[in-house]
Amino acid sequence: DTAVSQTPKYLVTQMGNDKSIKCEQNLGHDTMYWYKQDSKKFLKIMFSYNNKELIINETVPNRFSPKSPDKAHLNLHINSLELGDSAVYFCASSSGGSLAPLHFGNGTRLTVT
Amino acid sequence: DQQVKQNSPSLSVQEGRISILNCDYTNSMFDYFLWYKKYPAEGPTFLISISSIKDKNEDGRFTVFLNKSAKHLSLHIVPSQPGDSAVYFCAATSLHSGGSNYKLTFGKGTLLTVNP
Repeated sequence: DTAVSQTPKYLVTQMGNDKSIKCEQNLGHDTMYWYKQDSKKFLKIMFSYNNKELIINETVPNRFSPKSPDKAHLNLHINSLELGDSAVYFCASSSGGSLAPLHFGNGTRLTVT
Repeated sequence: DQQVKQNSPSLSVQEGRISILNCDYTNSMFDYFLWYKKYPAEGPTFLISISSIKDKNEDGRFTVFLNKSAKHLSLHIVPSQPGDSAVYFCAATSLHSGGSNYKLTFGKGTLLTVNP
């Protein structure tokens, strides 16, 4: 019973390609997020969606486009991949309240060659 | 600009002893702090939190202490168990951002190893 699931777990691709990462949560949460863990190990927020509406966009290049078809899904599409996009991408969800903890997926390790 | 700093990349402790993980922050707007634990190849999982109106919060073997004047918090694990071996992330947010605009700022994490 995976609460927040991401696919694929690993993604290796070449520069210039377009790729997508899918995320689904079965917790009934209203809010979903994408976080990026870079080579320096910092976890940084990229996007947040609440009830399919974008509410946080943290100065992410517009090559990154999140899409939320419904409350339970938040996909991340990346155009024209660059070497610097190599990182682990984590999807998360929460019930949306300020004190609600985030529930993370297991991450997608993206390697751009 | 690291607003949340975990200056010890790693910590090694004997089973049964106390583990103390430290975290410093620079943003005085932060008023809610969380610790997450992360095992390899898994996502972080929520462990414990503390609001700035408190200086201590306890949950079983885990206690978080907050020193607002020093902008410092620590996580104590007593007694430490081998299963506690993981990366521990400190995170902070401002509740004034409120509602759905909930943004956590994470530290780089500390790898805790508990030796049997």
